Amino acid sequence: DAKTTQPNSMESNEEEPVHLPCNHSTISGTDYIHWYRQLPSQGPEYVIHGLTSNVNNRMASLAIAEDRKSSTLILHRATLRDAAVYYCILTSYNQGGKLIFGQGTELSVKP
Amino acid sequence: DTAVSQTPKYLVTQMGNDKSIKCEQNLGHDTMYWYKQDSKKFLKIMFSYNNKELIINETVPNRFSPKSPDKAHLNLHINSLELGDSAVYFCASSRGLKSYEQYFGPGTRLTVT
Repeated sequence: DAKTTQPNSMESNEEEPVHLPCNHSTISGTDYIHWYRQLPSQGPEYVIHGLTSNVNNRMASLAIAEDRKSSTLILHRATLRDAAVYYCILTSYNQGGKLIFGQGTELSVKP
Repeated sequence: DTAVSQTPKYLVTQMGNDKSIKCEQNLGHDTMYWYKQDSKKFLKIMFSYNNKELIINETVPNRFSPKSPDKAHLNLHINSLELGDSAVYFCASSRGLKSYEQYFGPGTRLTVT
């Protein structure tokens, strides 16, 4: 199973952008990069995913390095509601939908 | 409308008992999952079912038996509960095995005393 490395915690100020890094140097060609987050006392929530190109959706942007060995989740304007644990996950579609969660990055947002 | 629901939300029971956790999704998805989050907050997949067929069984003890009566339901039955089974159990669903997005339920906090 491909592994990811994320900082244990990060801090941000409200209404400022947040860049959450993820290293995945052993990524294979068929691995997609997924980001989920888990708000306190809730189940994980899908944020975004990508393969090679940068991706944007209403929640966030995903910037993928050209060699695909790292990626960055970008929250354009952090709100207090964005305080959560953010998980960077690699999965390929021959794994039966299995998501392997690491320790994630705990993001705190200061008002 | 709750997309993925679980009952009960909290479950406190004694060692040796048998208990079940129910999961239902109203999204019309084909694939459902059970995950376990332990006290250190690590989330780990236990099972996945696709169209009522078992796809993933992640070396979970035989005391854990998932049952899928139909595509919208995946229940988890646990026999002879042990202290180490205390955790939060999350059910999830996705359109299919190749879907990139899984929808998680609110979790069931199981405490074994």
